[in-house]
Amino acid sequence: GENVEQHPSTLSVQEGDSAVIKCTYSDSASNYFPWYKQELGKGPQLIIDIRSNVGEKKDQRIAVTLNKTAKHFSLHITETQPEDSAVYFCAASKDGTGTASKLTFGTGTRLQVTL
Amino acid sequence: NAGVTQTPKFRVLKTGQSMTLLCAQDMNHEYMYWYRQDPGMGLRLIHYSVGEGTTAKGEVPDGYNVSRLKKQNFLLGLESAAPSQTSVYFCASSTGTGGLVTGELFFGEGSRLTVL
Repeated sequence: GENVEQHPSTLSVQEGDSAVIKCTYSDSASNYFPWYKQELGKGPQLIIDIRSNVGEKKDQRIAVTLNKTAKHFSLHITETQPEDSAVYFCAASKDGTGTASKLTFGTGTRLQVTL
Repeated sequence: NAGVTQTPKFRVLKTGQSMTLLCAQDMNHEYMYWYRQDPGMGLRLIHYSVGEGTTAKGEVPDGYNVSRLKKQNFLLGLESAAPSQTSVYFCASSTGTGGLVTGELFFGEGSRLTVL
């Protein structure tokens, strides 16, 4: 099955700096890569996703890049703010298989934005 | 807007006891999922359902059973709890597209279970 590795496990940045979280996946057939943000005491929430027919996607201060050849994708957060502090999860799945799309999650990155 | 609601939010069990976690969603979603979250291991899929009356095994199904008698509800049961089942459990739901396109998962706030 799919295996998703995520690094780093913890990341501390100063407010205003950029943060980058990286993930690699093992199944070359995976074609959907979402990122979820989990705030303390809450369930994860989708913040951005990308499909394998594009290499980059942006939404305001966050962006995701995908390298299909190397089988890795990354989350980029620019101009970080204290409210960005949370645990971030990457995930991968295969669309088009005709069954419920089951996400395989990475192990999470705890991002702390300091003042 | 309620979204996905899990009950109970906290529970302490003794080894061998049984319990049921209830998940309810009000978004008319076809698909529902149960995940467990453990430190350093991310979210792992236990069981899932693609519609009322159907269930399927995920990555870590052993020791758990599920039922989906109503479209809006997805129950997770532990027949004989073990300390290894101490975890935070998350229910999620998503729209059904025949599995052709992965939809956004909407998560509940979690249920923290401790087995002594």
